[in-house]
Amino acid sequence: DAGITQSPRHKVTETGTPVTLRCHQTENHRYMYWYRQDPGHGLRLIHYSYGVKDTDKGEVSDGYSVSRSKTEDFLLTLESATSSQTSVYFCAISESYRPPYEQYFGPGTRLTVT
Amino acid sequence: GQQLNQSPQSMFIQEGEDVSMNCTSSSIFNTWLWYKQDPGEGPVLLIALYKAGELTSNGRLTAQFGITRKDSFLNISASIPSDVGIYFCAGHAGGTSYGKLTFGQGTILTVHP
Repeated sequence: DAGITQSPRHKVTETGTPVTLRCHQTENHRYMYWYRQDPGHGLRLIHYSYGVKDTDKGEVSDGYSVSRSKTEDFLLTLESATSSQTSVYFCAISESYRPPYEQYFGPGTRLTVT
Repeated sequence: GQQLNQSPQSMFIQEGEDVSMNCTSSSIFNTWLWYKQDPGEGPVLLIALYKAGELTSNGRLTAQFGITRKDSFLNISASIPSDVGIYFCAGHAGGTSYGKLTFGQGTILTVHP
């Protein structure tokens, strides 16, 4: 299994509070991704990183920001959590943007915003 | 943006039956991937397809890259209880998209012993 951990694994927070989720990898892969998973929507890309300090938006980036100061860590921040951000968040890593485009996923973080 | 439509949304089958699911897109993809997600875990890659018309097997799983490059199919033969989970298709458009994948909505598979 790819060495990917996510923390926390579960979190309950109140509307309006900031929340930071952490993804840590031990594979030294260059590319890292944050997805959210919601019933009926599959996995949707929030933000991704193609190197240290290099990040870009995905399809559902509103209300989220990311940072990557080290190869191994990719942080996802909800600046002011809303109930619509209740979801399961997955981090993924990839060695290269060339084929085979395989991404390896972490165990997920279940976030509930009350 | 690009969308993948995966069907069926859910399946309830008896152990030993074969399973078929598919994924269609309104746009072309250069790579198709199939993932499986067990309850409470992240998705795990099952099969990757890189060429139109390609047919690839992984044990009891067989996947095909549609000739139009707008669809892909996954078949599971002789299902067993551990096949239970959510199956996702994913496509990569190629070019300089930094490995970004577009995922289908998933097919929830339930296998009755």
